Amino acid sequence: QSVLTQPPSVSAAPGQKVTISCSGSSSNIGNNYVSWYQQLPGTAPKLLIYDNNKRPSGIPDRFSGSKSGTSATLGITGLQTGDEADYYCGTWDTSLNVVFGGGTKLTVL
Amino acid sequence: QITLKESGPTLVKPTQTLTLTCTFSGSPLSTSGVGVGWIRQPPGKALEWLALILWNDDKRYSPSLKSRLTITKDTSKNQVVLTMTNMDPVDTATYYCAHRRILLGDYFDYWGQGTLVTVSS
Repeated sequence: QSVLTQPPSVSAAPGQKVTISCSGSSSNIGNNYVSWYQQLPGTAPKLLIYDNNKRPSGIPDRFSGSKSGTSATLGITGLQTGDEADYYCGTWDTSLNVVFGGGTKLTVL
Repeated sequence: QITLKESGPTLVKPTQTLTLTCTFSGSPLSTSGVGVGWIRQPPGKALEWLALILWNDDKRYSPSLKSRLTITKDTSKNQVVLTMTNMDPVDTATYYCAHRRILLGDYFDYWGQGTLVTVSS
């Protein structure tokens, strides 16, 4: 059972928009920055979003992040079949140190 | 460009000790604000953070596994070593090392390819 709660799966059609939520508490998201990772099938995770809403170089602006209170959200617009992956949120927790969400599988229908 | 690569045994027996080495380049671990962490992922399951070591030798462990884990660094070799004692079949997973950046927030900005470790007799 992950400290950060994510929906197990989301789906949308190509070209559409999807959001993935990450719910925590004041011990983690509420007082720390959130990062998001994309894991394509059979590959290592890759940093997608850091400091709640910043994109590393090379990440398209179709990907966005936001945070409000003890929850964070990853948004993906203009969905492509290549976006099919597992997405994880992560942050620092005052008791548990580094924590990840349980992951969300994105299906592009 | 920062690169990391994990190395170690692919098969260990129950009760044995696992030793994994992360060899990295492009970011000396003596640089303020950086670290290297270990994360594992059982087949078909979520990421699980294990341990983290920072530039100042600060070490952090997953509370649930702390008694079994030791993380060390060799700055001169650009290596970080993780040992996990008393291995069990439930520890079968892909083990990743990742570069940690600590600025405003902290996050893993570069990951190794991972190494699959199977625990079986």
